[in-house]
Amino acid sequence: AQTVTQSQPEMSVQEAETVTLSCTYDTSESDYYLFWYKQPPSRQMILVIRQEAYKQQNATENRFSVNFQKAAKSFSLKISDSQLGDAAMYFCAYRLYNQGGKLIFGQGTELSVKP
Amino acid sequence: GAGVSQTPSNKVTEKGKYVELRCDPISGHTALYWYRQSLGQGPEFLIYFQGTGAADDSGLPNDRFFAVRPEGSVSTLKIQRTERGDSAVYLCASSLTEGRLDTQYFGPGTRLTVL
Repeated sequence: AQTVTQSQPEMSVQEAETVTLSCTYDTSESDYYLFWYKQPPSRQMILVIRQEAYKQQNATENRFSVNFQKAAKSFSLKISDSQLGDAAMYFCAYRLYNQGGKLIFGQGTELSVKP
Repeated sequence: GAGVSQTPSNKVTEKGKYVELRCDPISGHTALYWYRQSLGQGPEFLIYFQGTGAADDSGLPNDRFFAVRPEGSVSTLKIQRTERGDSAVYLCASSLTEGRLDTQYFGPGTRLTVL
């Protein structure tokens, strides 16, 4: 079965500090994409960052970066200089090259940011 | 421009009733996806359309669930003989194509409650 596991149901960070959210996945395929989505209370999922599995270089988007370890099937998200607006549910997901647009999501991590 | 919209935002129905959930994708997006998000879980894939045809309906849980996209734009998810276990947030997403790098843009979802 293809699964995504987020082992931290809740995380908390102080404003301006750094936090890392964990994600592991299980697939026998070698070609896929990985994503982190943010879901605020409005329910609207927003793409934060994505990584192509064939690229060794870790993706970075402003304050967001990933640590992609393909052999370990690990894909963690690091948020630097945390802001109050970062508070939300964060979902890790992947998508296989040969399955169209189907996304497989983890259970989510709820991030709170303390002022 | 306008994002993905979903109507209604909330729907309360009684067990055994029929419901329809509507999704308006971003104009020009050919790929459309439906996901179901149960309380405390990540979204689960239901079905996706490329144009008017269902390219992958492997996530539909049973034959009570059906989705259409007759003109390649608006899609309707139909649930017959609703059960309490169908209660969830139903998310719709669209992307320019089903291409690997195309971002899926999500709507705010419809919260379905079956009493």
